[in-house]
Amino acid sequence: GNSVTQMEGPVTLSEEAFLTINCTYTATGYPSLFWYVQYPGEGLQLLLKATKADDKGSNKGFEATYRKETTSFHLEKGSVQVSDSAVYFCALVASYDKVIFGPGTSLSVIP
Amino acid sequence: DAGITQSPRHKVTETGTPVTLRCHQTENHRYMYWYRQDPGHGLRLIHYSYGVKDTDKGEVSDGYSVSRSKTEDFLLTLESATSSQTSVYFCAISDQRLAGANEQFFGPGTRLTVL
Repeated sequence: GNSVTQMEGPVTLSEEAFLTINCTYTATGYPSLFWYVQYPGEGLQLLLKATKADDKGSNKGFEATYRKETTSFHLEKGSVQVSDSAVYFCALVASYDKVIFGPGTSLSVIP
Repeated sequence: DAGITQSPRHKVTETGTPVTLRCHQTENHRYMYWYRQDPGHGLRLIHYSYGVKDTDKGEVSDGYSVSRSKTEDFLLTLESATSSQTSVYFCAISDQRLAGANEQFFGPGTRLTVL
């Protein structure tokens, strides 16, 4: 079946450090891939997405590239800020109405 | 922000009691979803709706029922709450089917504790 695997963390980084959160997936067909972010006490928000192989999604300095050959969609940011502290969820849609979420990666950025 | 509210935001109840959580939207979106969020599992779909009176089961629907009598409201009912249903519940909406990378908008969540 469809699934998403990501590092659970917690990940702790100093401000301005480089961030990578790994995400790999298993799916039939050609899924769309997403990163959602959840700030403390809030619901999830869409951060970025990609719909086909080699697409790069980007938003707020974050980027992720849809790699079909490695079934991956790793999230990167060149310089994190304290305000990026949140939980990040990798997700895919492989059929009409169902999103499959990874377990989430907690990120803490310290000044 | 998408106009989604959930009520109550926090609830503590006892095993065996019925509980109803409400999701209300002002966006007139056709699709509505209920998820639960648990450590190590991410979000898992409980039930979803693709229109008034049209609902379907998600991956963890046992012990839950839903109703949608109006476009704006989607109710989640635990007929007889159990401790395993202690979780944070999120409602989400979308105006199109999710295939094609359409976005879901999430409510603020309801934290439910079953003692």
